[in-house]
Amino acid sequence: AQSVTQLGSHVSVSEGALVLLRCNYSSSVPPYLFWYVQYPNQGLQLLLKYTTGATLVKGINGFEAEFKKSETSFHLTKPSAHMSDAAEYFCAVSDPRGANSKLTFGKGITLSVRP
Amino acid sequence: ETGVTQSPTHLIKTRGQQVTLRCSSQSGHNTVSWYQQALGQGPQFIFQYYREEENGRGNFPPRFSGLQFPNYSSELNVNALELDDSALYLCASSSLAGGYEQYFGPGTRLTVT
Repeated sequence: AQSVTQLGSHVSVSEGALVLLRCNYSSSVPPYLFWYVQYPNQGLQLLLKYTTGATLVKGINGFEAEFKKSETSFHLTKPSAHMSDAAEYFCAVSDPRGANSKLTFGKGITLSVRP
Repeated sequence: ETGVTQSPTHLIKTRGQQVTLRCSSQSGHNTVSWYQQALGQGPQFIFQYYREEENGRGNFPPRFSGLQFPNYSSELNVNALELDDSALYLCASSSLAGGYEQYFGPGTRLTVT
């Protein structure tokens, strides 16, 4: 079985500061990894994904994440936070060898951005 | 290109009733997955449909059932509603059954009283 751990439920940063949202996963096979963002009263929007190849992946809105197999981590970063980044962020994992492409999500992290 | 759409947006039902939620997949996608997102939690996988067949199910009781139609749209049916079924129900479509990113609809907010 796969699982995702997102430590802490809330992160607060100042506008212009570095954003770092942590994600650790558990998987018996090399996983596919995803970060999604959810704005209030909306569905989930894909920020970026890792499947194979380059371990540093770039996504939309200036976000990027690095797959570190040795640390079983896939932390999300952004060099400079904008007010519009305030939202809920979910890390998710799927099994590329599984019979289906179901996503297993973490509990999510709420990002607040202070002016 | 039309994205994933869901209807209705909001729904209020009474315990014991039945509900049907609908989802239209993104153009070109043949796989639909349903997730339940309780307040303050991450989405939980309910089941997935691929070419009109169930293709995997999460830890949900049989009163949660689904359908996929030839145009790849889908329904989620929940019988004998319980208070704990109150949640945001998300539909996601994807282009293949394995390992590809899923595109989510805006969700249906179900409240059971």
